[in-house]
Amino acid sequence: SQTIHQWPATLVQPVGSPLSLECTVEGTSNPNLYWYRQAAGRGLQLLFYSVGIGQISSEVPQNLSASRPQDRQFILSSKKLLLSDSGFYLCAWSGAGANVLTFGAGSRLTVL
Amino acid sequence: SQQGEEDPQALSIQEGENATMNCSYKTSINNLQWYRQNSGRGLVHLILIRSNEREKHSGRLRVTLDTSKKSSSLLITASRAADTASYFCATDGGDYKLSFGAGTTVTVRA
Repeated sequence: SQTIHQWPATLVQPVGSPLSLECTVEGTSNPNLYWYRQAAGRGLQLLFYSVGIGQISSEVPQNLSASRPQDRQFILSSKKLLLSDSGFYLCAWSGAGANVLTFGAGSRLTVL
Repeated sequence: SQQGEEDPQALSIQEGENATMNCSYKTSINNLQWYRQNSGRGLVHLILIRSNEREKHSGRLRVTLDTSKKSSSLLITASRAADTASYFCATDGGDYKLSFGAGTTVTVRA
């Protein structure tokens, strides 16, 4: 069966520090991969998606970047965090056919 | 940007009652999906309804879709305390991306 792992679960970082959130999927190949951000009490904002290794589409210009170094690995990064980067980050994957997303457990980032 | 808009923003009901929430969207879709999120967790897919379908059932869930009004509703029958969560609609325009609404927070009182 397919599983998705996302880490770290919680992160407190100072302004200006770097960020790396990782997401891996097991039990499937060539998944579509997604990073969403959820502000408190709000819906999900799509940040990046990838349909293959090295293929990254950015939805919102911002202080973040994404990379897909391997088929089932998706990384969200920042060189210098801003206060506005605080939020709940969710990784998700979908397979062939209908675009149904399976989400990771999320990473809560607080930038101080 | 968010395509779907849920209504109401929050709903409080007694255990055993039905909960109904609505979703409106703006552009054409291939399908519409509903997800649930327990506090501080990831979202879980509940049900998908295709653009050529009008109603779909899954257990205690009933979803309707009216493409002429660009709206959908989710009905949870005989609610339980475990149904307490936020519910999101998501629209699939056929371009690898789902657009989520802001969600409806449902509280089921024992």
